[in-house]
Amino acid sequence: AQSVAQPEDQVNVAEGNPLTVKCTYSVSGNPYLFWYVQYPNRGLQFLLKYITGDNLVKGSYGFEAEFNKSQTSFHLKKPSALVSDSALYFCAVRAMDSNYQLIWGAGTKLIIKP
Amino acid sequence: ETGVTQTPRHLVMGMTNKKSLKCEQHLGHNAMYWYKQSAKKPLELMFVYNFKEQTENNSVPSRFSPECPNSSHLFLHLHTLQPEDSALYLCASSQDAFLLAPSGELFFGEGSRLTVL
Repeated sequence: AQSVAQPEDQVNVAEGNPLTVKCTYSVSGNPYLFWYVQYPNRGLQFLLKYITGDNLVKGSYGFEAEFNKSQTSFHLKKPSALVSDSALYFCAVRAMDSNYQLIWGAGTKLIIKP
Repeated sequence: ETGVTQTPRHLVMGMTNKKSLKCEQHLGHNAMYWYKQSAKKPLELMFVYNFKEQTENNSVPSRFSPECPNSSHLFLHLHTLQPEDSALYLCASSQDAFLLAPSGELFFGEGSRLTVL
């Protein structure tokens, strides 16, 4: 069955340190991978996506993500965290065997401490 | 200012009430979606409309009734809801439905927080 896993409910990082938010997926075929961010009391905002090509994808607000086909992962990263990065982050994937419906992870709450 | 506007932002209703959620997108997109967001759970797709035609209904109870009069407007009519329907309801749009453009991203509204008493 198709699925997306975000293994950490919450990630705590000190401001200025690098951050990683993990995402693994299980679909057949070539996936389209997405990260979205949700700030408090707001809707979701698109951050970045992987379609094809370079495995390292750069997105908004200094975020990047690395597609690893052998590990079926698409971890979100940022070299230096800001307090304003504190939010809820969602990983999502589309694939042909899911009829291209978006399959969502449950979200990871990122807390950046000053 | 968001390109997708949802009203009301907050709604409290009893189980016997009838209310509606409204969504409007100003992005010229062809597809619109309703999602249900509950705490610590993946987003649940409820309905998809492409060019005003409903293309997906993910086994949503009939107490939720969508309406899409044109490509810019989407409604979710609510009646005889249950307390477990309390959630954040998100409207989204995309240039085309995911079947036609699987690489396209979604643009979300800020959501309508629904509480059913």
